[in-house]
Amino acid sequence: AQKITQTQPGMFVQEKEAVTLDCTYDTSDPSYGLFWYKQPSSGEMIFLIYQGSYDQQNATEGRYSLNFQKARKSANLVISASQLGDSAMYFCAMREGNSGGSNYKLTFGKGTLLTVNP
Amino acid sequence: ETGVTQSPTHLIKTRGQQVTLRCSSQSGHNTVSWYQQALGQGPQFIFQYYREEENGRGNFPPRFSGLQFPNYSSELNVNALELDDSALYLCASSIPRGGDYGYTFGSGTRLTVV
Repeated sequence: AQKITQTQPGMFVQEKEAVTLDCTYDTSDPSYGLFWYKQPSSGEMIFLIYQGSYDQQNATEGRYSLNFQKARKSANLVISASQLGDSAMYFCAMREGNSGGSNYKLTFGKGTLLTVNP
Repeated sequence: ETGVTQSPTHLIKTRGQQVTLRCSSQSGHNTVSWYQQALGQGPQFIFQYYREEENGRGNFPPRFSGLQFPNYSSELNVNALELDDSALYLCASSIPRGGDYGYTFGSGTRLTVV
């Protein structure tokens, strides 16, 4: 089974509107972390937002917020007031296990290509 | 503080050759992990180095190997290159601590095997 599923290969949004990018995950580990990264065409992975499995509140970072529904195992990214510069690939990723452990492997989804239209 | 630097940015190799990719970790980070990203896919974990030792490995054959140096920089070596090794190789540095210990990624090395 896929550990991280992103069901939207591509999404379009008008500038200044909000958009939600979907992510569901699968783990039996009670301790895990969820990340969202942005990857422009240049290739680097830019960290956007993080949600820990024990965090009580949804994470927010500026225009980014994470809609964390633990029972449904979903961690959707919400981008408010989209900008042209938001056009990029977006990846959801998960780290399983105790954050104090030694193996910090990230498991990524296949990504969603977001296009912001003027 | 400096970010993660990878070299070279682009590389073309012939099938069967060997290649070495390099990564300088972010200042203060002592853990380096490598990922392979095929075209149109998400990154796949290759392995991780902590204190100069490999301490985690993904589903990659032994011809993928690595090193970490005392200054925490790292190399990824791939022997007997195959066409399917063509991909973007990403290096990420981090430091083990609780919570959001965010990985810092480099811009990657784009390897083409012909």
